[in-house]
Amino acid sequence: GAVVSQHPSWVICKSGTSVKIECRSLDFQATTMFWYRQFPKQSLMLMATSNEGSKATYEQGVEKDKFLINHASLTLSTLTVTSAHPEDSSFYICSAHSSGGPSGQYFGPGTRLTVL
Amino acid sequence: DAKTTQPNSMESNEEEPVHLPCNHSTISGTDYIHWYRQLPSQGPEYVIHGLTSNVNNRMASLAIAEDRKSSTLILHRATLRDAAVYYCILRASNTGKLIFGQGTTLQVKP
Repeated sequence: GAVVSQHPSWVICKSGTSVKIECRSLDFQATTMFWYRQFPKQSLMLMATSNEGSKATYEQGVEKDKFLINHASLTLSTLTVTSAHPEDSSFYICSAHSSGGPSGQYFGPGTRLTVL
Repeated sequence: DAKTTQPNSMESNEEEPVHLPCNHSTISGTDYIHWYRQLPSQGPEYVIHGLTSNVNNRMASLAIAEDRKSSTLILHRATLRDAAVYYCILRASNTGKLIFGQGTTLQVKP
């Protein structure tokens, strides 16, 4: 149980385009999901907290107009990187909070974004 | 958010126990101590968590100091598949956020 999926697993896009990444909790409902970014050989950096039916809460220094988050249902949150540039190339990981299970927070497998 | 301090890297021999330390001197009374591990190009995987008492599960044991300012993750018999980055994280009970530090890269030698 407590499986989180992400789609796509990797994406390559041209500079200036927008990319949408989906995060789904497959076998549980998640009122809260989190989005992280990870650069090579670095740790995960929390970008924002996504709550179902309300606006996301962004961490300090994260541009909310650049990284649009929508949490329209209890099983789906999306992150859209708008007008992507090469410096946005990174590994994006989501996690979903579950009231069941030992840890309460389960991570997706990540999405590798490469902006040319 | 309270911080944790871990050694950058550790080495272990296969089938030997591994003790991964973590310092969290600014921990508050309601912070849970969580451990996750991450393999390259994968999302983090839950290992174990605790509040005050020592904890055991099928993957590992967590030993928490009496003053809660430090903890140790114990892998009883390291295997090559245990080679990963191990993160010790304090989770605030009110926000649920996990703030990752730099973690410890564990190498397991055959």
